[in-house]
Amino acid sequence: NAGVTQTPKFRILKIGQSMTLQCAQDMNHNYMYWYRQDPGMGLKLIYYSVGAGITDKGEVPNGYNVSRSTTEDFPLRLELAAPSQTSVYFCASSYYPLSYNEQFFGPGTRLTVL
Amino acid sequence: RKEVEQDPGPFNVPEGATVAFNCTYSNSASQSFFWYRQDCRKEPKLLMSVYSSGNEDGRFTAQLNRASQYISLLIRDSKLSDSATYLCVVNGQAGTALIFGKGTTLSVSS
Repeated sequence: NAGVTQTPKFRILKIGQSMTLQCAQDMNHNYMYWYRQDPGMGLKLIYYSVGAGITDKGEVPNGYNVSRSTTEDFPLRLELAAPSQTSVYFCASSYYPLSYNEQFFGPGTRLTVL
Repeated sequence: RKEVEQDPGPFNVPEGATVAFNCTYSNSASQSFFWYRQDCRKEPKLLMSVYSSGNEDGRFTAQLNRASQYISLLIRDSKLSDSATYLCVVNGQAGTALIFGKGTTLSVSS
C-alpha cells in the first residue's frame, strides 16, 4: 500500500494563479481531510469529506475548494492564490470519522505564493 | 485560553535523559486525545492515543487529567532518534475535527 500520496511536493505560484493539489489514498478510507501548517503553528483543517460526494468546511476554508468524486481522491483547488496561502498542505485520511482514531497523513505539498 | 496549548521548547537533552511534555486544552467536552510526532519537514504520524487511565508504549507514557484538562507525555531513556516535534492533539466535541497544538520540539544529543 502506498498510503496517502500527494502531488506536487513543491510549487511556486504567482499571485492570482490557480492550481490543484492532488491527494489519493489506497486504504479504502471514507474520511479524508486537508490541513495547512504555517511555520511554527499547528495544523488547521481546511476541508474534510466523509465519503464520495460529501464535503464540508473546516476551520479555514476561505480561498479553497474541494471535490470528492471517488473514495480514493480528494483534490484541493486554489482559485486565486494569495501570499497568505503560502504554507505546507497535508492531506490525511482515516477509517473512522474525524477524531476517534488515527489519521494517516501524506508527505505534504510546500506551496509558496509570490 | 488557547484551544490546545503546548510549551514550544526546544527541549535539549542528552541521550538517556527523561523528558516530559505538557499540554492543556480548553474544551471540557473533548473526548479523544493523541500525541503525534512530526520529524523535520515531514508529515505528522501518530505516536500514541491517550486514555483516561494512562497508557504506556515502551519508553513512552501518556497521562490524561480530565479535571485539570491536562495531557502529558513522558519519554524515558531518550534516544537520538527521538529528536522531533511532538504534537498534542485533541478533538473539540464528539465527531468534530481534531485540534492540533503548535508542538514541542525535542532535540536529543550524544
